[in-house]
Amino acid sequence: DTVLTQSPLSLSVTPGESASISCRSSQSLLHSNGYNYLNWYLQRPGQSPQLLIYLVSDRASGVPDRFSGSGSGTDFSLKISRVEAEDVGVYYCMQALRTPLTFGGGTKVEIK
Amino acid sequence: VQLQESGPGLVRPSETLSLTCTVSGGSIRDYYWSWIRQPAGTGLEWIGLFYATESIIYNPSLKSRVTISVDASKSQVSLNLNSVTAADTALYYCARFTTAWPDSWGQGILVTVSS
Repeated sequence: DTVLTQSPLSLSVTPGESASISCRSSQSLLHSNGYNYLNWYLQRPGQSPQLLIYLVSDRASGVPDRFSGSGSGTDFSLKISRVEAEDVGVYYCMQALRTPLTFGGGTKVEIK
Repeated sequence: VQLQESGPGLVRPSETLSLTCTVSGGSIRDYYWSWIRQPAGTGLEWIGLFYATESIIYNPSLKSRVTISVDASKSQVSLNLNSVTAADTALYYCARFTTAWPDSWGQGILVTVSS
């Protein structure tokens, strides 16, 4: 299985500041079509996960441009600029290149 | 498209867990369908993906015990997991795939395995 390792496990961020989450994969997520099959999800408290970013850097519909993704191969990151209160929750990376599809362990983001 | 999971919240050990996801607001035939679970306080585990009746992929860790099916006439996706143990206690999500990843999730249903 492809193992995704996220860091840090948790973040406490002051509103208006930036936050960054790392996701490292045990195998390359680069498809032969040139895309890296790495997505990011946010699970707000008491809610189901929602898709934030797909294929490393494409924002899902309705996701503000404060969220941005980058990376390639085995190293990826999610950046949240100008953190707001509504950004609290657990962020998961997910690889969709190989089955079984796998998720990172999650990064909990809190507001100071 | 809205997804609503339903089924028993309590299943006895060694029995079969059976859940249904009802799809509304869109055609079930236009998408692929998956089940994903989340044990309490932990991460997400993909269970399997239904592409078509003859094309279903399961997580090898569960493959011997799981069946996913789709009844298009009822707009329902079903999950059956047999020989359950306490380790199968989790929040179970139905998820829609438009391409190769889940892009919409149901609210989830908590299933507890206990005698």
